[in-house]
Amino acid sequence: DTAVSQTPKYLVTQMGNDKSIKCEQNLGHDTMYWYKQDSKKFLKIMFSYNNKELIINETVPNRFSPKSPDKAHLNLHINSLELGDSAVYFCASSQGRGVTNEKLFFGSGTQLSVL
Amino acid sequence: AQSVTQLDSQVPVFEEAPVELRCNYSSSVSVYLFWYVQYPNQGLQLLLKYLSGSTLVKGINGFEAEFNKSQTSFHLRKPSVHISDTAEYFCAVTFAGGYNKLIFGAGTRLAVHP
Repeated sequence: DTAVSQTPKYLVTQMGNDKSIKCEQNLGHDTMYWYKQDSKKFLKIMFSYNNKELIINETVPNRFSPKSPDKAHLNLHINSLELGDSAVYFCASSQGRGVTNEKLFFGSGTQLSVL
Repeated sequence: AQSVTQLDSQVPVFEEAPVELRCNYSSSVSVYLFWYVQYPNQGLQLLLKYLSGSTLVKGINGFEAEFNKSQTSFHLRKPSVHISDTAEYFCAVTFAGGYNKLIFGAGTRLAVHP
C-alpha cells in the first residue's frame, strides 16, 4: 500500500485553467505538506497543515489554495494557471509538527505542465 | 535566514568506489540537518539526520554524514557505492521551532557507473 499517494501523476493543462491535485496518506499522521520542485530541482515548502489547521503558509500567490477536509487529505487547488506554475508538486506527511522526532514521508510527485 | 548549498550538481563515480557529496549551510541559529534521497520517479526518502549529540551520523543504505559546526558543513559519504545508489541527493536544514519547514539545497545527482 502506498503511504502517501498523489493524483494525478501527470497534469498537462492550458494557461488560465483551474486545476486540483489530491493527496492522501494512510499512515495516520497529523501533519501534511505541499512542496514545489522547480525545473532546477529546488524544493520549496508551500503549505503545511496539522490536524486540519494551517501552520505553514509560505509566500505563494493566492491562486494556490490548500484544502484539508480531514487530517488524511490535503488537496492543492490552483486557479488561473500560469506558465511559471509548471513544476513537480510533492505532498508529504509526518506524525507530528516538530522535526526532532519526525521524518517526512513524501508522495511520488505530480508533474504539472502549463502550456 | 537559513540556506543550503550543495557544491556539486553532479557526481559521477564508478561502482565500489567511495563517494562524498558536499553540503554547506548558513544559519544564525542552531540547526537540524538532513539528507534525503530521491530515486527516479519517486518521492524523497530520509537517509539520515543530525539533531544533536555525536557529529557522525549513520543512516540507511550504508551512508553516513558528519556535522562540522566550524565549517558549517554536513557532507554525506559512503565508502563503496552500488549501481542502485544512483539517485538525486538533497541536503536540507531546519531550525528549532521551525516545525518541518525544511529548506533544501539544489540537489546532487549521483551517477554510479559499472
